[in-house]
Amino acid sequence: QVQLQESGPGLVKPSGTLSLTCAVSGASISSGNWWSWVRQPPGKGLEWVGEISHSESTNYKPSLESRITISVDKSKNQFSLKLSSVTAADTAMYYCATRHGTSFYWGRGTLVTVSS
Amino acid sequence: EMVMTQSPATLSVSPGERATLSCRASQSVGYSLAWYQQKPGQAPRLLIHSASTRATGIPARFSGSGSETEFTLTISSLQSEDFAVYYCQQYNNWWTFGQGTKVEIK
Repeated sequence: QVQLQESGPGLVKPSGTLSLTCAVSGASISSGNWWSWVRQPPGKGLEWVGEISHSESTNYKPSLESRITISVDKSKNQFSLKLSSVTAADTAMYYCATRHGTSFYWGRGTLVTVSS
Repeated sequence: EMVMTQSPATLSVSPGERATLSCRASQSVGYSLAWYQQKPGQAPRLLIHSASTRATGIPARFSGSGSETEFTLTISSLQSEDFAVYYCQQYNNWWTFGQGTKVEIK
């Protein structure tokens, strides 16, 4: 059973950088999966923000591409999200997720608030 | 960029009744379509993948159908625990989610 766990600061200042990590268990991040980040602003829908492959290829949501970096740390079996120049519009629950075989696995999410 | 459109935005249904939710893709996604249920304060729960395959542990009252650009999620007889928000997701090319359908008690 694949398990994902997000971690990182819950509060980020405007214009700062949001940094989150997703720890993976039950699967190797070096396997043939893509590892994704999804966010959900309070009271709104789900938004895919980007993904990284086992070979470290990345795909980003076009509207975020100038501010986003997703990376992997194979030694720790985890992947990370960095989002720069954040504003209040980046306040959201951030989930890490993956498609493994025919199923999808999600973390429980972590709330990030952008506020001074 | 792919757009997923769900309808209706809100569906009012009495317990025991059937609920039918729709999802339309702006371009073909084949059968690469999933449905999720989300309750307040919880992560999305996978119901259906590959357009019509129930995920492990999902009751048979949930069924999915469709292909290419038109998809449907049917809940045959709504139980109290089914009142929630439902999202469709395409995974043919990156991921894109619909805006959600809220199923509320009539």
